[in-house]
Amino acid sequence: QVQLQESGPGLVKPSQTLSLTCTVSGGSISSGSYYWSWIRQPAGKGLEWIGRIYTSGSTNYNPSLKSRVTISVDTSKNQFSLKLSSVTAADTAVYYCARVGAGFGDPYYYYMDVWGKGTTVTVSS
Amino acid sequence: DIQMTQSPSSLSASVGDRVTITCRASQGISNSLAWYQQKPGKAPKLLLYAASRLESGVPSRFSGSGSGTDYTLTISSLQPEDFATYYCQQYYSTLWTFGQGTKVEIK
Repeated sequence: QVQLQESGPGLVKPSQTLSLTCTVSGGSISSGSYYWSWIRQPAGKGLEWIGRIYTSGSTNYNPSLKSRVTISVDTSKNQFSLKLSSVTAADTAVYYCARVGAGFGDPYYYYMDVWGKGTTVTVSS
Repeated sequence: DIQMTQSPSSLSASVGDRVTITCRASQGISNSLAWYQQKPGKAPKLLLYAASRLESGVPSRFSGSGSGTDYTLTISSLQPEDFATYYCQQYYSTLWTFGQGTKVEIK
C-alpha cells in the first residue's frame, strides 16, 4: 500500500525558506488520477490546507500563502516538495503531506486518503 | 473563502452513545464535503467524502448526511477507539478549508 514520509529541517530561522519533501513509497506518484497535497497544523490548533499539485505540474495554492508557497513534483524520485519563503513564527506547525484521490463524475469529489505521519517545523532564531 | 463552522466544539459522551457533529458552510457546497478523524499525535484519517460516501475500511457506525450548507457526521454507537477530534473539510471551492474541529471526549 502507498505510504508517504515527510522529511526536512525541523528548525528554520525567521525570514528563511522552509523546504520539505514527501517521499511516496509502495506506488508510483504518476499512477492513477491523484493529486498530492500539503496541510499544516499549529500545535493545539486546526488544520490548514496549503496547496496541491497534479503530476502534470498543475498547482493550486491557499491564497493566504500563495505569494510564499511553491509545490513541485519530481516523478523520477517519486517525491513532491513544499517551499515556503519568508517564514515567521506563525509558520511553526506540524506539516503533513497527503495523497488526494479524485472522481470527476457527477458529483465530483476529492478526498485525502493517505497521509504522512507529519513533521514538526519550528521557526526560531 | 468558504468558512466551515463545526458544532459543538467539544462533547462528552459514553461508550454506546449516538453522537452527532454538525458542520455548516458559509455558502452552499453541493455535498463537496469530507470528514476526518484525528487522534493525538497522529495524522488525520479519512472517514467519509462526498458528504456520505464511507471510505473503505471505515466502520459502518460512521455515517454522513446533509445538503446545501448543513452537514452531519453521526456515530451510531460510540466505541472506545472513537474518542478523537473530528474535522469537516470542503472541496467545493479551489481553496479547501477545514472546520475548527470537534473533540469527542469520554464522559
